[in-house]
Amino acid sequence: QKEVEQNSGPLSVPEGAIASLNCTYSDRGSQSFFWYRQYSGKSPELIMFIYSNGDKEDGRFTAQLNKASQYVSLLIRDSQPSDSATYLCAVNSAGNQFYFGTGTSLTVIP
Amino acid sequence: GAVVSQHPSWVICKSGTSVKIECRSLDFQATTMFWYRQFPKQSLMLMATSNEGSKATYEQGVEKDKFLINHASLTLSTLTVTSAHPEDSSFYICSARDSGGGHYNEQFFGPGTRLTVL
Repeated sequence: QKEVEQNSGPLSVPEGAIASLNCTYSDRGSQSFFWYRQYSGKSPELIMFIYSNGDKEDGRFTAQLNKASQYVSLLIRDSQPSDSATYLCAVNSAGNQFYFGTGTSLTVIP
Repeated sequence: GAVVSQHPSWVICKSGTSVKIECRSLDFQATTMFWYRQFPKQSLMLMATSNEGSKATYEQGVEKDKFLINHASLTLSTLTVTSAHPEDSSFYICSARDSGGGHYNEQFFGPGTRLTVL
């Protein structure tokens, strides 16, 4: 079982819609959770991190964490074509190891 | 804040030569840096964890004698690809953790180095 799992996609949504990206993790003691965005040919950039159960909002992005279900998600409201990228979920485990998922490719269709 | 730079951003070399890539944390100290490799349309692959003042920890399947890592200061780690071959052509990305506290262990990525071995 992988430490962090994501649906590889591709996920396509129309412009203006909500894009929902999901991630599960295996280490129940994981402490903090991150979402990175990676454009083709570029390195990942940090979008958000979350460490408490519930929702955390930053502009059009909302991260949701459910530690009981070992599930973290990223919602992108009012999706724009510029949001088209690969989104990487990352988890800092109880052992202070950092694990990335394989990423979900998102395409926002104009 | 939390800027990581890499140099060079791209490099082309002949097969059999060695290439050094530098990773610097510009506005924070990084006890730990990470080296990743990414092939086209594939996910990040962690190669090694670079610890300041000690030996790097390599992931399974990564040849430590081929990919030499040096982390001589709190702001600089280098990756040297020795005797490079065409199959080493890839996008090499470093990241760093801020050692200064007040963060949640997030990694900040450098812009990457694209290596092409002819």
